Amino acid sequence: EAGVTQFPSHSVIEKGQTVTLRCDPISGHDNLYWYRRVMGKEIKFLLHFVKESKQDESGMPNNRFLAERTGGTYSTLKVQPAELEDSGVYFCASSRARVSGELFFGEGSRLTVL
Amino acid sequence: AQRVTQPEKLLSVFKGAPVELKCNYSYSGSPELFWYVQYSRQRLQLLLRHISRESIKGFTADLNKGETSFHLKKPFAQEEDSAMYYCALSGLGGSNYKLTFGKGTLLTVNP
Repeated sequence: EAGVTQFPSHSVIEKGQTVTLRCDPISGHDNLYWYRRVMGKEIKFLLHFVKESKQDESGMPNNRFLAERTGGTYSTLKVQPAELEDSGVYFCASSRARVSGELFFGEGSRLTVL
Repeated sequence: AQRVTQPEKLLSVFKGAPVELKCNYSYSGSPELFWYVQYSRQRLQLLLRHISRESIKGFTADLNKGETSFHLKKPFAQEEDSAMYYCALSGLGGSNYKLTFGKGTLLTVNP
């Protein structure tokens, strides 16, 4: 079974530019999550999709962040415009329904904003 | 508010020594507790969960509701246990599986 894949693995952009991160969950996993780890801080929840619907987006920092999951398959997380404090590692995870807490993580997308 | 505290940023032990990674939590309802591990150059993965009450790779963790703790223990550490360990919690049951993570403890097992 293929794992959760994320692209790109590393992105370096300048402040004010736009970046789009992509996540392909494990096939058949309805639940998809985005998390972020900023240097020195804990891994923090951003949002949760169930299929194509946003179940919980309480962790999204502000309206510069936009997540989509059209068709309930892959998801994108766009940051526009990027700020210095957005630098960090963005993790995507997926899980089957009804299995609380057992998330399968991708390798993460490292974002560096200069 | 829910919170997970891992007081040790770094922990270094020798091979064969016992190891205990501490985790304390704050949660108003009934939590479900987990330990996730990230080995070098690998992705974050679930190590164990309190409701399973199982031992994985020799590690065990007991939920102590009185002390609000979920410490991870292994009697004899191995070099391959060197990794970053994260304690995490979510609400028990329900449809929202949002995890709250601690900051992690980097365990180094020396030969």
